[in-house]
Amino acid sequence: DGGITQSPKYLFRKEGQNVTLSCEQNLNHDAMYWYRQDPGQGLRLIYYSQIVNDFQKGDIAEGYSVSREKKESFPLTVTSAQKNPTAFYLCASMGTPTDTQYFGPGTRLTVL
Amino acid sequence: EDQVTQSPEALRLQEGESSSLNCSYTVSGLRGLFWYRQDPGKGPEFLFTLYSAGEEKEKERLKATLTKKESFLHITAPKPEDSATYLCAVQGERWGKLQFGAGTQVVVTP
Repeated sequence: DGGITQSPKYLFRKEGQNVTLSCEQNLNHDAMYWYRQDPGQGLRLIYYSQIVNDFQKGDIAEGYSVSREKKESFPLTVTSAQKNPTAFYLCASMGTPTDTQYFGPGTRLTVL
Repeated sequence: EDQVTQSPEALRLQEGESSSLNCSYTVSGLRGLFWYRQDPGKGPEFLFTLYSAGEEKEKERLKATLTKKESFLHITAPKPEDSATYLCAVQGERWGKLQFGAGTQVVVTP
C-alpha cells in the first residue's frame, strides 16, 4: 500500500530541546516537502528536496534543519532556535509529471 | 510573489443547500491550481488539479472551475460528510513550490 507516513502523531517538547519528526514515503517520488500549519493560516513551506543529498530552504526555514540521505526519507529537526514551534507539521511528496503533492497524516508538536 | 486568497473563511450549509467557494490568485506563470480537502487533525487529501482557464473537473458532489484570476469549488447538494476545510494552492514558475490559501471551513448540517 503506497503512501506517506509521519511519526510520531503527537510530540511534546520542552523548551531548549531539539526534536526530530520522521517522514517516509514508498511512492518512489523524487521530491519531498515540509510544511507548517497554524490555525487560520495557509500551509507554509519550511524546506524541500528535489533529489537525494540536496535540499533548499522554503519561506520559514529559520530554526529548522533537514537531511535527505535516502530517497524514501526526509526527517525534519526542530531546533531550540525555533521560537514558536507549536504547530501541525505536514510532510508531502511529489512525482512528475503530474506535479501533484500528496500529504502525510501530520505530526502535532506542542512545546511545554 | 504568488498570492492566494480564499473566501469565505467559513461556510455553514444545510444538507442539500448548494454553494460555491472562491479562490483568487496572482501568480507568475501558472503551472497548476490545486484543490485539497482537509479533515480536522489530518493531512490534506488531493481533490483536483486545473491547468488552464476554462478547465472544469468533477468528483461526486464537487466541481472545480478555473479562470485567469480565480477558481471556484462548487458543492452541489452537500451532505454532512462533505464537512471539511477546503484548501486551494497554486504552483507558479518555481517548480514544485505551492502557495496555499488559508482555506474555507465548510460545515454541513443535517
